[in-house]
Parts: sequence; C-alpha cells; structure tokens
Amino acid sequence: SYVLTQPPSVSVAPGKTATITCGANNIGSISVHWYQRRPGQAPVLVVHDDSDRPSGIPDRFSGSNSGNTATLTISRVEAGDEADYYCQVWDSSTDHVLFGGGTKLTVL
Amino acid sequence: EVQLVESGGGLVEPGGSLRLSCVASGFTFSSYSMTWVRQAPGKGLEWVSSISSRGYEYYADSVRGRFIISRDNADNSLHLQMNGLRGDDTAVYYCATVEQGRSDYWGQGTLVTVSS
Repeated sequence: SYVLTQPPSVSVAPGKTATITCGANNIGSISVHWYQRRPGQAPVLVVHDDSDRPSGIPDRFSGSNSGNTATLTISRVEAGDEADYYCQVWDSSTDHVLFGGGTKLTVL
Repeated sequence: EVQLVESGGGLVEPGGSLRLSCVASGFTFSSYSMTWVRQAPGKGLEWVSSISSRGYEYYADSVRGRFIISRDNADNSLHLQMNGLRGDDTAVYYCATVEQGRSDYWGQGTLVTVSS
C-alpha cells in the first residue's frame, strides 16, 4: 500500500527557513495537501494541491511536489509556527485518504 | 462561517459501542463529502472513514466491519457508529469536510477512551 514518509522532527531558528518533506513513490503525480496541528487544536489546512494556499494562510507557507518528494517550506519561521505538520493524499486506487506520519517542527 | 461541532465521545469499555455525531453549519452540507479522522495519544493523524455527498461509504482497514458512517442531510449531521471498540480506538475524533481530496474545515474533536 501507499506510504507517505515524513521526518519525525525538524528544528529551525526564528527567521530561518524550515523544509518538511513527504516522500512516496511517484508522489509528484498526485496532489498533496499539508496540515498544521498545534497542540490541543484542530488541524488547519496550510497548503493544498501541492502549492496553493487557502485564504488567510501567510505567504511564508509554500509547497512543491515533484518526483518522489513533496515539500512544505516555511520561510521566516516564527515561534507560532511550532506545531506538527502532516502531508495528505487521496489514493484513487482505493478511495482511501492517507496521512504522513507527521513532522514536529521545533523553533529554537 | 463554517462550523463543525462533534459530540458523543466518552469512556467506554472494550467491546462496547459509541455513536459520534457532527453537526455542520455555514455551508451546503448536502453538497460535500465528509470524513472522520482520529488522532490517538502520541500518534499522528489517521483517516477513519469518509462518505460522499451521494452516500457512498469508505473505511480504513482498521475499522471496516466495526464502524459505520452515515449522514442526514435533512439536519446537516454526520455520524459514526462505532462497535466492537478496542483500546487502540482511543483517540480524539475529528469530523471534517472533503473537497477535491482535501479537508478545508475541521471540528474541534471529541475524545473517545476505550478502557475497562
């Protein structure tokens, strides 16, 4: 079955750029969505369809997807960006939704 | 404003049943697919089940045969009947909208604890 692989943790200093990857075989051929989940809060969609931002999401959040890796990039990282981030795809062959294991972003 | 409000969580013994509900407002509920996603303590997000606007049902392998998803478009509600509950079903359960494979709107979640 399709598996989405994320690094368990990423650390970055304030003002720097954080890069979170989501790996899977030929993931570049399907749409990837990214969610932010702060402790005790519901998930929030921050990037959809590889690189689009919902309204209200700062342009510091961007995404890309090619080959076997999708990437969420957070520029000019702020303390408030500290959260868990999840990639998600829809597997059309099974009509199942798949989430990556999540990446904990720590702002140093 | 889109709102999704879950209810029905609680403490239940292994093997027991629970019915979760999610009431939606602020959008045309009948036009949207809906989904349940859970997060167990210390774990990541896990998709549980989805239902299309037409009522087609989809389940994760871990819950198929035990959980039943349903919707009532007349009162804008989504339900999850959970039977044969196990300890690894302990989680916060979220309902969310589904559009083109993504979930734009989420509820705040309801906690289900399976324990004797």
